[in-house]
Amino acid sequence: AQKVTQTQTSISVVEKTTVTMDCVYETRDSSYFLFWYKQTASGEIVFLIRQDSYKKENATVGHYSLNFQKPKSSIGLIITATQIEDSAVYFCAMREGRGYNQGKLIFGQGTKLSIKP
Amino acid sequence: GGIITQTPKFLIGQEGQKLTLKCQQNFNHDTMYWYRQDSGKGLRLIYYSITENDLQKGDLSEGYDASREKKSSFSLTVTSAQKNEMAVFLCASSIGTVNTEVFFGKGTRLTVV
Repeated sequence: AQKVTQTQTSISVVEKTTVTMDCVYETRDSSYFLFWYKQTASGEIVFLIRQDSYKKENATVGHYSLNFQKPKSSIGLIITATQIEDSAVYFCAMREGRGYNQGKLIFGQGTKLSIKP
Repeated sequence: GGIITQTPKFLIGQEGQKLTLKCQQNFNHDTMYWYRQDSGKGLRLIYYSITENDLQKGDLSEGYDASREKKSSFSLTVTSAQKNEMAVFLCASSIGTVNTEVFFGKGTRLTVV
């Protein structure tokens, strides 16, 4: 069955430091896609970054990067040089690539990130 | 660019009432989703549709019906509102079914009295 788990409920770090948020997933599909989204205080949800299961290289977009550890079914989000405006709730999500569940996008429980000055 | 419009923004219903939430997107996306978000919690998938006339149940479909009337619109019906269903319902869409990002609407906040 498809499942995404984020065990960190909340994290607080000082501005300009690096933070890592954890996410583990379960799937029977050999092809899948992992996403990270950010929900701001206003409720808006925006896409940040994606990792395709068949790619060995970790994805990087701006100051976001991923730590993809396929044998551990783990996809961590790393934010470097954090800023106050990075304070938000971060969601990990997964879509399977084929089969009966193709298109089904499920989310983890979210991690609330607070950046302190 | 495009936009996802959810109506109404706020919905107050009576316990046991049948309530309908609507979602329209002008991205020309094939795939649309309905999620429920309880206060301080994650997003749980209720229904999704990978193309017009398609309907797939998510993990939280019991108590809900959905309808993909046309490519641009996707409705969700709460068949019998319960007090523990106070939540924000989020509609989302994407151009494909695998590696494309989804875009979210601003949500409908449901309160059951």
